Amino acid sequence: DARVTQTPRHKVTEMGQEVTMRCQPILGHNTVFWYRQTMMQGLELLAYFRNRAPLDDSGMPKDRFSAEMPDATLATLKIQPSEPRDSAVYFCASGLTGKTYNEQFFGPGTRLTVL
Amino acid sequence: AQTVTQSQPEMSVQEAETVTLSCTYDTSESDYYLFWYKQPPSRQMILVIRQEAYKQQNATENRFSVNFQKAAKSFSLKISDSQLGDAAMYFCAYRSASGDDKIIFGKGTRLHILP
Repeated sequence: DARVTQTPRHKVTEMGQEVTMRCQPILGHNTVFWYRQTMMQGLELLAYFRNRAPLDDSGMPKDRFSAEMPDATLATLKIQPSEPRDSAVYFCASGLTGKTYNEQFFGPGTRLTVL
Repeated sequence: AQTVTQSQPEMSVQEAETVTLSCTYDTSESDYYLFWYKQPPSRQMILVIRQEAYKQQNATENRFSVNFQKAAKSFSLKISDSQLGDAAMYFCAYRSASGDDKIIFGKGTRLHILP
């Protein structure tokens, strides 16, 4: 049963600390997306990779957020330094370019709380 | 730019009844894909149903069906025989068929099932 996995599932940290979230896309998928979900803003696209290359990170606060794909099986989202307003659920999703619908498959999310 | 609008932030339906969730979108493209995702309290985003714009026949998946009106740019979701497990946030989403991998999500409709 192919799934997107994310770690950690929950993270509580103090303001100013570095936070790293990890995502393992479905094997064979070549696109990875990072989303942030809050009650106020809904689902926001932070970054998007295709074949490990970043194609769009316009939704990401550049000064503190960074996203990378060290290899095809791992995507990371890093926040440094973290702030209380970063508290949210962060989702990773993967897909396959060229597939008819190219729908995105979501991971279970990482709930981040910054105190 | 394409937009997706869900005008009903919340809805309620009696168990075993039928409910329709509305979604409209704006696009100048002729070929695209539409999706409904479900997000239950577990937060996991689950693909419920999908539709290609060039297919005139409305998609169905068990108790879930859509009413796709291309000229009106409307893509509503009908849930028949509502069950308690259908309680969730439902997101309507759009993807261009032009090669863009990104999916545009609506703000969501929270569906309550009344026992």
